[in-house]
Amino acid sequence: ELKVEQNPLFLSMQEGKNYTIYCNYSTTSDRLYWYRQDPGKSLESLFVLLSNGAVKQEGRLMASLDTKARLSTLHITAAVHDLSATYFCAVDTGNQFYFGTGTSLTVIP
Amino acid sequence: GAVVSQHPSRVICKSGTSVKIECRSLDFQATTMFWYRQFPKKSLMLMATSNEGSKATYEQGVEKDKFLINHASLTLSTLTVTSAHPEDSSFYICSATQGWQPQHFGDGTRLSIL
Repeated sequence: ELKVEQNPLFLSMQEGKNYTIYCNYSTTSDRLYWYRQDPGKSLESLFVLLSNGAVKQEGRLMASLDTKARLSTLHITAAVHDLSATYFCAVDTGNQFYFGTGTSLTVIP
Repeated sequence: GAVVSQHPSRVICKSGTSVKIECRSLDFQATTMFWYRQFPKKSLMLMATSNEGSKATYEQGVEKDKFLINHASLTLSTLTVTSAHPEDSSFYICSATQGWQPQHFGDGTRLSIL
């Protein structure tokens, strides 16, 4: 069974600081997604990573994919309060689509 | 704007009632639709994958007779929670995709069974 694990599960950080969220998965995949979820809301697509070495950036968030290590990272630069949310990675193997455990981020002013 | 519309957004009903949730793709033909369930502060759990015109493929542990999925057209899939009970209370999210395109998610339905 495919396992998708995120670390950390909970993250509290001050505004202006940097941090990285990790997404490890247990099988081969060339398609990895990052989503944001605000409380009580559905998912907002952030990034789609389709190949080894892919790097995408949007604002203060940057995502990368290392398919050999089966690892994706979501890096937060100079965090602001508006980034507080839960972040999920999701892996698509073609046959399976599974979400990571989620990382609940709270940015403290 | 939204490309996947999910309706209703919130349902509260008595135990034993059947509840239908609709998921529509608004501006594309969805060859595949997915239904997810999410418990508070947990990740999304895939319940079933639905291809237009064929029976849904359910994930292990998901009761087919409890969660009826119909994907009658390329723009509409429905999830019916039959004879719902309090343990069925959850946040249900659908998504739709066309071919290898990324999934587009609906806004979710919060179901509360009293």
